[in-house]
Amino acid sequence: NAGVTQTPKFQVLKTGQSMTLQCAQDMNHNSMYWYRQDPGMGLRLIYYSASEGTTDKGEVPNGYNVSRLNKREFSLRLESAAPSQTSVYFCASTRSYEQYFGPGTRLTVT
Amino acid sequence: GESVGLHLPTLSVQEGDNSIINCAYSNSASDYFIWYKQESGKGPQFIIDIRSNMDKRQGQRVTVLLNKTVKHLSLQIAATQPGDSAVYFCAENMSGYSTLTFGKGTMLLVSP
Repeated sequence: NAGVTQTPKFQVLKTGQSMTLQCAQDMNHNSMYWYRQDPGMGLRLIYYSASEGTTDKGEVPNGYNVSRLNKREFSLRLESAAPSQTSVYFCASTRSYEQYFGPGTRLTVT
Repeated sequence: GESVGLHLPTLSVQEGDNSIINCAYSNSASDYFIWYKQESGKGPQFIIDIRSNMDKRQGQRVTVLLNKTVKHLSLQIAATQPGDSAVYFCAENMSGYSTLTFGKGTMLLVSP
């Protein structure tokens, strides 16, 4: 039981490049989430998917898109990366309220 | 890169001390609360939760206290160990909503 997995672990992009962060969970959870974490700040919600087939904006959705590919997988896409998107990105999933987090992706945009 | 712990309130204790980490939550309608622990380079990990119909809940070496009157949550760690060094976050949920709102966190440093 791997829990929540994320790929890649690290990524460096140039301004304007695009990329997709992958997340998968094997706990049969309905809801999945993408957060970003910046120094000195808590976790800020980017997008979430309360169930397969639905997605909703969180607190900081601008510059991102998401896809809930199936019940297991929830991807986050940066179409045109900006230096302000340098951050650590966490994916999480839950059946009810307690969220389980992946190990994170550290993204640097130069 | 910068650590998530920079610019956070910091609590420094000696090994064996009891630690108390505090959190003020924002929404009086929140009815479920969680404490998470985040070690350097890792994702947050669940520690303990409490519902608003309780004012205290105990786990292994940890106790969470909830004061709804002043919208305050605290995490008590007994006999703190160096392995407890981490950033601790509280999170709140409002009934009917599928999202959590996280606090900014407190860094706990435990000296041997």
